[in-house]
Amino acid sequence: QQQVKQSPQSLIVQKGGISIINCAYENTAFDYFPWYQQFPGKGPALLIAIRPDVSEKKEGRFTISFNKSAKQFSLHIMDSQPGDSATYFCAANSPGTYKYIFGTGTRLKVLA
Amino acid sequence: KAGVTQTPRYLIKTRGQQVTLSCSPISGHRSVSWYQQTPGQGLQFLFEYFSETQRNKGNFPGRFSGRQFSNSRSEMNVSTLELGDSALYLCASSSQTGNTGELFFGEGSRLTVL
Repeated sequence: QQQVKQSPQSLIVQKGGISIINCAYENTAFDYFPWYQQFPGKGPALLIAIRPDVSEKKEGRFTISFNKSAKQFSLHIMDSQPGDSATYFCAANSPGTYKYIFGTGTRLKVLA
Repeated sequence: KAGVTQTPRYLIKTRGQQVTLSCSPISGHRSVSWYQQTPGQGLQFLFEYFSETQRNKGNFPGRFSGRQFSNSRSEMNVSTLELGDSALYLCASSSQTGNTGELFFGEGSRLTVL
């Protein structure tokens, strides 16, 4: 029940295309859903986050879509660029636990 | 503002040895978390400290321990190392006193156990 399932494991997209990464969770107590981006040799960095009271959040080319009834959320990267090539992790957090549950990651490669 | 600093960045140990990893959080951040990152497993939560108190612990054996000092710096220790402990150990700090807030990660300490 504590897991966050992430797919796909890897993704190859042409420059200018849309990258879509999906995550699903079981624990309805989760109330904060961030996405982290990690470049090789670096630690993950927060990209965008959402709470379940909204169905979508957009920041520049990055959008989170959230479906509370299906317990799913996804990251959409519009106009994907080679510089977006990185590993992306979804995560979830529930009140009072002081910990994040991370997905297993998606390695994105954007071809020039 | 300096980011999260982890030392050492790389280390090699043999089975049965112990290791101590250090983390200096961003100035003013009182919450420090530790995660283990392995290929295919993502990031697994180890523990979280706030003002020298462990508030939560993940599902790792007792060989994994940590502590936080009064200046918010944190250390984690792994005793009796096993091959499966080879991983990238990430420290993250947060300014939030509550449950949620942005985690700022260091670049990690890569441990190889031979």
